Amino acid sequence: KAGVTQTPRYLIKTRGQQVTLSCSPISGHRSVSWYQQTPGQGLQFLFEYFSETQRNKGNFPGRFSGRQFSNSRSEMNVSTLELGDSALYLCASKWGTGTGELFFGEGSRLTVL
Amino acid sequence: AQTVTQSQPEMSVQEAETVTLSCTYDTSESNYYLFWYKQPPSRQMILVIRQEAYKQQNATENRFSVNFQKAAKSFSLKISDSQLGDTAMYFCAFQEGGSEKLVFGKGTKLTVNP
Repeated sequence: KAGVTQTPRYLIKTRGQQVTLSCSPISGHRSVSWYQQTPGQGLQFLFEYFSETQRNKGNFPGRFSGRQFSNSRSEMNVSTLELGDSALYLCASKWGTGTGELFFGEGSRLTVL
Repeated sequence: AQTVTQSQPEMSVQEAETVTLSCTYDTSESNYYLFWYKQPPSRQMILVIRQEAYKQQNATENRFSVNFQKAAKSFSLKISDSQLGDTAMYFCAFQEGGSEKLVFGKGTKLTVNP
């Protein structure tokens, strides 16, 4: 059974650009969450989608957005990149709602220059 | 807002020994769940153990066990018979019942020495 797949694994952007990250959940999983991981702030919740609906959102500016497709794949987008957006972005999936086990991908490492 | 505190940024232990990682949390909720996640150097996080707040019995998964002190809002992880493969970052996490959001501590970097 394939795990959570995130693409791209590494990318470099410059300030002001935008970026789109992709996440393919484990087959059958309908919930996808996104987290930002930085050395200073640690792991912070961005948002969660279930059946194409955003159910929860963290305290991030509107430059951070996401969506989920009918096949449960998810994308997140960051517009007008800032240096502080440099981070490891982790995607996690689970089968349903509630406190089921989260399965994480290996992350997308974004560097903003 | 809930907060999770891991007071030990780094720890080390000898192979086959036992180590305890500390975690405290702050919440006014009564329905919540607590987790320990492991992030090896390859970066993929995996669930180590979970605890439901309404359960008094401490969770155990093979060599991993927790000491859940609800009144003290403490949730420590004990690793017995430490193995080299246990070397990783360990994150304590809190989830309020009905929410999909996990609140993580800053992590403890554990090194198991041969």
